[in-house]
Amino acid sequence: GDSVTQMEGPVTLSEEAFLTINCTYTATGYPSLFWYVQYPGEGLQLLLKATKADDKGSNKGFEATYRKETTSFHLEKGSVQVSDSAVYFCALSDNQAGTALIFGKGTTLSVSS
Amino acid sequence: DSGVTQTPKHLITATGQRVTLRCSPRSGDLSVYWYQQSLDQGLQFLIQYYNGEERAKGNILERFSAQQFPDLHSELNLSSLELGDSALYFCASSTSPAGAFYEQYFGPGTRLTVT
Repeated sequence: GDSVTQMEGPVTLSEEAFLTINCTYTATGYPSLFWYVQYPGEGLQLLLKATKADDKGSNKGFEATYRKETTSFHLEKGSVQVSDSAVYFCALSDNQAGTALIFGKGTTLSVSS
Repeated sequence: DSGVTQTPKHLITATGQRVTLRCSPRSGDLSVYWYQQSLDQGLQFLIQYYNGEERAKGNILERFSAQQFPDLHSELNLSSLELGDSALYFCASSTSPAGAFYEQYFGPGTRLTVT
């Protein structure tokens, strides 16, 4: 079945450092890809998404490009802030089967000043 | 604030008991999804309802059931609880049954602890 694999955390960075969180997927169809963020004590929020190959999703300085050839959707940010500390989830949704999100295990990011 | 509300926020109960978790979707959203987040299994899709009808089923145990009412709120019923059912249960809603193209908005979750 479909699955998402993302890098194990925690990732610990200093403020203004460059961030990459790797995400690869396995899917039989043509999925849409998402990054969700979970701040402490809160629910998940959609950070960005891409619905077809070569699409780039971006939001709040974060970017990810849908790479069909490498089945990847790596999350990047050029300069992280302390407020970016959270758990980041890569997810996919099979466009043909519909609806539910399949999540990776999540990567904890901790940014210090 | 996503507009999705879940009650209660915390629930502590004993093994063998039954509990009901409640979710109210965003105004206008017809789809409701239930997810379970646990340390060992991560975030897993349980079940989806669209406008009162079951739409999709994931890794939901037979001891668990859900329904969506005419006012579109949803309830997740967990029975014969086991220690392993301790988890954070999220509800999400979207405007369409086709979640791939429509954002799912997540509630703050209900933390269930089974002792």
